[in-house]
Amino acid sequence: SQQGEEDPQALSIQEGENATMNCSYKTSINNLQWYRQNSGRGLVHLILIRSNEREKHSGRLRVTLDTSKKSSSLLITASRAADTASYFCATDAVRGSRLTFGEGTQLTVNP
Amino acid sequence: EAGVAQSPRYKIIEKRQSVAFWCNPISGHATLYWYQQILGQGPKLLIQFQNNGVVDDSQLPKDRFSAERLKGVDSTLKIQPAKLEDSAVYLCASSFNRVNTIYFGEGSWLTVV
Repeated sequence: SQQGEEDPQALSIQEGENATMNCSYKTSINNLQWYRQNSGRGLVHLILIRSNEREKHSGRLRVTLDTSKKSSSLLITASRAADTASYFCATDAVRGSRLTFGEGTQLTVNP
Repeated sequence: EAGVAQSPRYKIIEKRQSVAFWCNPISGHATLYWYQQILGQGPKLLIQFQNNGVVDDSQLPKDRFSAERLKGVDSTLKIQPAKLEDSAVYLCASSFNRVNTIYFGEGSWLTVV
């Protein structure tokens, strides 16, 4: 069964606005990761948050994790056209076990 | 640092034919992964190697898919015979070990007609 599910499936915003994507999962996790995939390319790792962490920042990215609700959010601030891509969350239930990806959110940032 | 290399980038075959994809991971990375990504979906793990041993192949359709990683470096993924539903991007990835960040290649796009 699918572990991570992103919401919304698609998001369209204007350059300069903030973009928020959510990920929900079903079972306990060791950590949660976010990846970006530009059209026709491979996935690029963005950020990892461990199950005992609640918030993490990296540049314009802010990730939160709520293990009680089994959910995470990815916030991209001051979005740019170059942020247009699909964003996936991925979880592993046990340290070193299979990484399971969600279906992704397609983000479009209009110039 | 060179990234994960994959070839071919694109392949079109007829159903029931065979195809093979090759992957060269980042130097020094012990863990190698093959993912299948169907258009509009997230990647699904097919097989995971730790050096040249298989760690997880529970989602690999073993009646038609096979993979090997000889000498714990390069890997090949083979599909024989191919079905229409095998049309997807096959992503190879590697990591230093099983708990580190995963680095993906650009993928091999397969169309089965």
